[in-house]
Amino acid sequence: GQQVMQIPQYQHVQEGEDFTTYCNSSTTLSNIQWYKQRPGGHPVFLIQLVKSGEVKKQKRLTFQFGEAKKNSALHITATQTTDVGTYFCAGRTSYDKVIFGPGTSLSVIP
Amino acid sequence: DGGITQSPKYLFRKEGQNVTLSCEQNLNHDAMYWYRQDPGQGLRLIYYSQIVNDFQKGDIAEGYSVSREKKESFPLTVTSAQKNPTAFYLCASKLDSGNTIYFGEGSWLTVV
Repeated sequence: GQQVMQIPQYQHVQEGEDFTTYCNSSTTLSNIQWYKQRPGGHPVFLIQLVKSGEVKKQKRLTFQFGEAKKNSALHITATQTTDVGTYFCAGRTSYDKVIFGPGTSLSVIP
Repeated sequence: DGGITQSPKYLFRKEGQNVTLSCEQNLNHDAMYWYRQDPGQGLRLIYYSQIVNDFQKGDIAEGYSVSREKKESFPLTVTSAQKNPTAFYLCASKLDSGNTIYFGEGSWLTVV
C-alpha cells in the first residue's frame, strides 16, 4: 500500500546546531504538508508545498518538495529549545487521501 | 473562538467498558477525522466523514464506531472489542475544498 516514511525517527541536537528531517513517499503526491506537535500537544499545521521543486521558508525553517513530488525535507537552522517536538509530514495522494508519516522527534539540548 | 473541542481530555475506564469521546467543531468544516496516536508513534486513521450521515473506515477501524448526525459533531466510541484501547485520540477537521487539517487538543484514554 501507499506509505510515507520519515527519517530519522529521533534526533538530538545541541542548541544552535542545524536539523533536517526527510520525508519519502512510495507514490507521487499532489501536495505535502508539514505539522509540528509539541510534547503533550496536538499537531499544528506549518506549511503546504504543491509544486515540484518548491522551496518555502518560515524564519529559520526551510521546506523543500522534491522534483518528482515523492519526497520532502524540513531543515531548521540554528535550533532553539522552542523547536522541540515531533515533526510530521503528510502527503496527499492522487486519490485525495492524506497519509501521515511516523514523525521525527527533535530534542534540543540547551 | 473557532476551533475543535474534544472532551474529556483524560479518561480512565475499566477493561470491557465502552467509552465515547466527544468531538465538536464550529469551523463549518465538512470533513472530520479520528486518529489514534500511540506513545512515540505517528497518526493512524480510525474513521473519517466527509458529509453528514456518512463515514468511512480508516486504517484501524476495528473495535471503534462513529456517527455523524450533525455537521459539527463526530463522536468516537471505543468498544470493548478494541483489544488495546489505551492511547491518545485526536479529532481533526478540514474544509472539503481545503487542504489544511486542524486538530483538536486530543483525549488521553487509559483502560485499566
